[in-house]
Amino acid sequence: AQKITQTQPGMFVQEKEAVTLDCTYDTSDPSYGLFWYKQPSSGEMIFLIYQGSYDQQNATEGRYSLNFQKARKSANLVISASQLGDSAMYFCAMREGGGTSYGKLTFGQGTILTVHP
Amino acid sequence: GAGVSQSPSNKVTEKGKDVELRCDPISGHTALYWYRQSLGQGLEFLIYFQGNSAPDKSGLPSDRFSAERTGGSVSTLTIQRTQQEDSAVYLCASSRSRTQYFGPGTRLTVL
Repeated sequence: AQKITQTQPGMFVQEKEAVTLDCTYDTSDPSYGLFWYKQPSSGEMIFLIYQGSYDQQNATEGRYSLNFQKARKSANLVISASQLGDSAMYFCAMREGGGTSYGKLTFGQGTILTVHP
Repeated sequence: GAGVSQSPSNKVTEKGKDVELRCDPISGHTALYWYRQSLGQGLEFLIYFQGNSAPDKSGLPSDRFSAERTGGSVSTLTIQRTQQEDSAVYLCASSRSRTQYFGPGTRLTVL
């Protein structure tokens, strides 16, 4: 079974509009972390935002926010005021296991976001 | 400061040859991870090192793959007797807490 599911292979958004990239996850571990990374065409993986399973509030980092719905096991990324430079592949990832900050990430298949001027 | 660096950036090899890929983590980061990114398989975990603990090798696809980390810093991923299905981008990441920071990757092409 897929642990991380990103159902949108591609998304389009108009510049300055907001966009939501979907991510659902599957784990029986009560302690886990959820991450979003951006991968531009240059290939580098850029960390965007983190949400811990016990965090009470949704994470925010500048124009990025994470819509965390624990009961539905979803962790959607919201990008506000899209910019042309936001065009990239976006990956949702999960690390399972508490008691440590370390451990492997399991990635979704990614969503290609294209921002139109 | 300096990020994670990887070398070479590109490697073309012939089937059956051995290759070594190098990763220099961010200074002070105690954990180091290797992932592989390919069109067919997406992003897959290979192996990770944390401090002096035994490495988690659970993602290595076969015994042709091995990795070591010397002095708690630089790591080398070795692929023996390369096969065409080993063609991929090999990504290294390091961390000192929850967030992993990635290097630019090594693109491996096996002819």
